Amino acid sequence: DIQMTQSPSTLSASVGDRVTITCRASQSISSWLAWYQQKPGKAPKLLIYKASSLESGVPSRFSGSGSGTEFTLTISSLQPDDFATYYCQQYNSYSPGFTFGPGTKVDIK
Amino acid sequence: EVQLVQSGAEVKKPGESLKISCKGSGYSFTSYWIGWVRQMPGKGLEWMGIIYPGDSDTRYSPSFQGQVTISADKSISTAYLQWSSLKASDTAMYYCARTTVVAATGWFDPWGQGTLVTVSS
Repeated sequence: DIQMTQSPSTLSASVGDRVTITCRASQSISSWLAWYQQKPGKAPKLLIYKASSLESGVPSRFSGSGSGTEFTLTISSLQPDDFATYYCQQYNSYSPGFTFGPGTKVDIK
Repeated sequence: EVQLVQSGAEVKKPGESLKISCKGSGYSFTSYWIGWVRQMPGKGLEWMGIIYPGDSDTRYSPSFQGQVTISADKSISTAYLQWSSLKASDTAMYYCARTTVVAATGWFDPWGQGTLVTVSS
């Protein structure tokens, strides 16, 4: 099974900061990675798919990069609306299918 | 607008059965997979399984195989997640999401609003 890890688990930042979250896979997943944002009490929202493709309607301050086993989600200038938990997710067409990372909480410094 | 609307919150006792629903609109329901994701209180996201309403092809996470049943009624654009005998540990928020699977990759978008299931004696 492919395992996903994220670092850091919690990140304290200020409005305007550049924020980077790292996601690592236990084996190569090419560019098959997605990123989600979840706010308290709300459903997750897709931000990035195929590692670097920005979902329609998502602000351009969000970007994704990476391939193989290491990926990053970058927020170029953190906005008040961005304080949330972020999850990476991979899909394996064999087994067991989809796997989420444990999440990174971005809170106010 | 693509939308998934889930059934309302449920409070059940251990041992009871339950079926929750997820109704899709704004797209061809039979052309996309529907996935189910569990989120236990204060915890992360766990993939449970997916179903292709077009032919009812269903895949389960090994962690949930045999614990739940995923089904769909394409005539009413609705997917279901059901339990035959609930446990207290099934207490969680359950999300459905339209699932795009393209070659070797897949992602969830959009998501339903979630159904909170509480199991308590």
